Amino acid sequence: QQQVKQSPQSLIVQKGGISIINCAYENTAFDYFPWYQQFPGKGPALLIAIRPDVSEKKEGRFTISFNKSAKQFSLHIMDSQPGDSATYFCAASGIQGAQKLVFGQGTRLTINP
Amino acid sequence: DAGITQSPRHKVTETGTPVTLRCHQTENHRYMYWYRQDPGHGLRLIHYSYGVKDTDKGEVSDGYSVSRSKTEDFLLTLESATSSQTSVYFCAIRIGGTGELFFGEGSRLTVL
Repeated sequence: QQQVKQSPQSLIVQKGGISIINCAYENTAFDYFPWYQQFPGKGPALLIAIRPDVSEKKEGRFTISFNKSAKQFSLHIMDSQPGDSATYFCAASGIQGAQKLVFGQGTRLTINP
Repeated sequence: DAGITQSPRHKVTETGTPVTLRCHQTENHRYMYWYRQDPGHGLRLIHYSYGVKDTDKGEVSDGYSVSRSKTEDFLLTLESATSSQTSVYFCAIRIGGTGELFFGEGSRLTVL
C-alpha cells in the first residue's frame, strides 16, 4: 500500500525554468511533510519541510505548497539550475514518537543548461 | 554535525548466506532507522530503534532482524539473504527536536 504517491517519475526542465513535483497522501494523521534531495551515490538530505498549519513555506528558490483538504503537497524549484539535477523524494509522517517517514517513489530531475 | 558511518559500503554475497550491515553514529541520538531504496519504491522502512534494546518493525521487515546493544550502533541482519534483498540500504538518525532524519551514505548489497 503506497501511502504517499509522487509524480512525475522523471522531469526535464530548462535552466531558469520552474520545476514542479507533486505528492498526494492518504493518512490524515500525517502532520509532517519533508522533501529530500538525493545526489548519485549519496544518502537523501533534507531540503525543506512543512507542517499542515501553513499552506506554503519558502526557503530560497525552494517552496512547498500544501493543500490539506486535497491531501496534496508540492515542491516548486524556481530559477532551476543544473546543480539542482538530483532525485527528489517527498515524505510524510506524524511528528510525535518514532516519526516513521513514508516516502514517495521519487522524481529524477534533470536541468538542461 | 551529525555523523553516521555505514559499513560495509558495498557487499556482494550469495543466496542463503547471512549478512550484517552496521550503522554507527557519533552522537547520542535516540532514534535510528534502517531503510531500503529500490527503483520505483522510494525508500521503505525496514526496522527502527527508539533506544538500546528497543526496536520495532517497519513496512518491509520480513527477512530482516536488527539489534541495538549500544546507543551508537544499530545492526541490520539478513539471516539468509535472497536475491529480492538486493538493494541499497540506508541508515538514518532522528535529529532531536527538529524532526529531521539524517541519512548515511548507504550500503549497496548484491545477492547473487
